[in-house]
Amino acid sequence: QKEVEQNSGPLSVPEGAIASLNCTYSDRGSQSFFWYRQYSGKSPELIMFIYSNGDKEDGRFTAQLNKASQYVSLLIRDSQPSDSATYLCAALGRNFNKFYFGSGTKLNVKP
Amino acid sequence: DADVTQTPRNRITKTGKRIMLECSQTKGHDRMYWYRQDPGLGLRLIYYSFDVKDINKGEISDGYSVSRQAQAKFSLSLESAIPNQTALYFCATSDRGSPRETQYFGPGTRLLVL
Repeated sequence: QKEVEQNSGPLSVPEGAIASLNCTYSDRGSQSFFWYRQYSGKSPELIMFIYSNGDKEDGRFTAQLNKASQYVSLLIRDSQPSDSATYLCAALGRNFNKFYFGSGTKLNVKP
Repeated sequence: DADVTQTPRNRITKTGKRIMLECSQTKGHDRMYWYRQDPGLGLRLIYYSFDVKDINKGEISDGYSVSRQAQAKFSLSLESAIPNQTALYFCATSDRGSPRETQYFGPGTRLLVL
């Protein structure tokens, strides 16, 4: 079992819609969770991190964390074609010494 | 100027050759990491270093070695390259405790082993 699991997609949404990306993790001791966006051939760039149960909003992005269900999600409102990328979910291990990345979900936003 | 740089950006080598990938950072971070990325497998940790004297194996360290020459420099070596080491390699840095160990990535090195 992988430490962090994501559906590989692709997830296709029309422009202006809400895109919902999901992630589960296996280590209940994980402390913090991150969403990275990666364009093809480029390096991952941080979108948001979250470490408390509930929602965290930043512009068009909302991260949601449910530690009881070991579930993290990212909502993208008013999706734009420029949001088309692979989104990586990551968890910081209980000892604060290792990041575990999911394999990523590819998002396509259609004009 | 980029905060995390990697050299070379692209490299083609032959099976059995020794190669070194280099990473430098100007962010002043104490922690540095090497990952490889393969299609469908996401990022996998090869080695990480929390300071110059602290180097640790990640989940896929076999066939690789590292050197932390200074706080700002972390090199990855493939002692005898093999074709299944063909991948995209990323260096990353983080600052202990702030914010929540966010990692910042270099631009990547694309390696092809023939």
